[in-house]
Amino acid sequence: EAQVTQNPRYLITVTGKKLTVTCSQNMNHEYMSWYRQDPGLGLRQIYYSMNVEVTDKGDVPEGYKVSRKEKRNFPLILESPSPNQTSLYFCASRGQGLYGYTFGSGTRLTVV
Amino acid sequence: AQSVTQLDSQVPVFEEAPVELRCNYSSSVSVYLFWYVQYPNQGLQLLLKYLSGSTLVESINGFEAEFNKSQTSFHLRKPSVHISDTAEYFCAVSGTNNNDMRFGAGTRLTVKP
Repeated sequence: EAQVTQNPRYLITVTGKKLTVTCSQNMNHEYMSWYRQDPGLGLRQIYYSMNVEVTDKGDVPEGYKVSRKEKRNFPLILESPSPNQTSLYFCASRGQGLYGYTFGSGTRLTVV
Repeated sequence: AQSVTQLDSQVPVFEEAPVELRCNYSSSVSVYLFWYVQYPNQGLQLLLKYLSGSTLVESINGFEAEFNKSQTSFHLRKPSVHISDTAEYFCAVSGTNNNDMRFGAGTRLTVKP
């Protein structure tokens, strides 16, 4: 089944403790992206990647890092999480020439 | 850069009634337009998209949206809603490079029996 898989689905952590949210897609898609969803704000793009080793900042990149060493994986790294990063995170991918992303099921992160 | 405004944060409606979810966009370049649906505890699913050609686009479950360039709108409509249409709906816009997709704040559609 074609899908985008994120792990974990739920995560509670403490301020300052580094964490990684993994994202993997099995559709050989070139483009991958991370969004955060907050009430009243919709989805805001954090980072995106156009292919292996090619990444760029979205609208809200502060406090996040990404890497794209393999085509299928696009992990989101929070080096020193803070409470304002408490949010629902989505990874998404799309293929070259395909318009519209396939989304993962989301990761609900709480930073206390 | 592009931006999207969804004019209603919540839309309550009775089953079998018609509904319109409003979306306006702002852009200085040509755009692609999308509607996504999010059911509770799930990710977003693409509902329909406008890329070019006919300004009226349809989904498989009875929704339709019309691209209106002069009014910079892409409103979503359904003539008769079902309980199962209860969800949050997001309008999104991207430039034709399609990397910088931006979403509206969402409209929560609640269909009541």
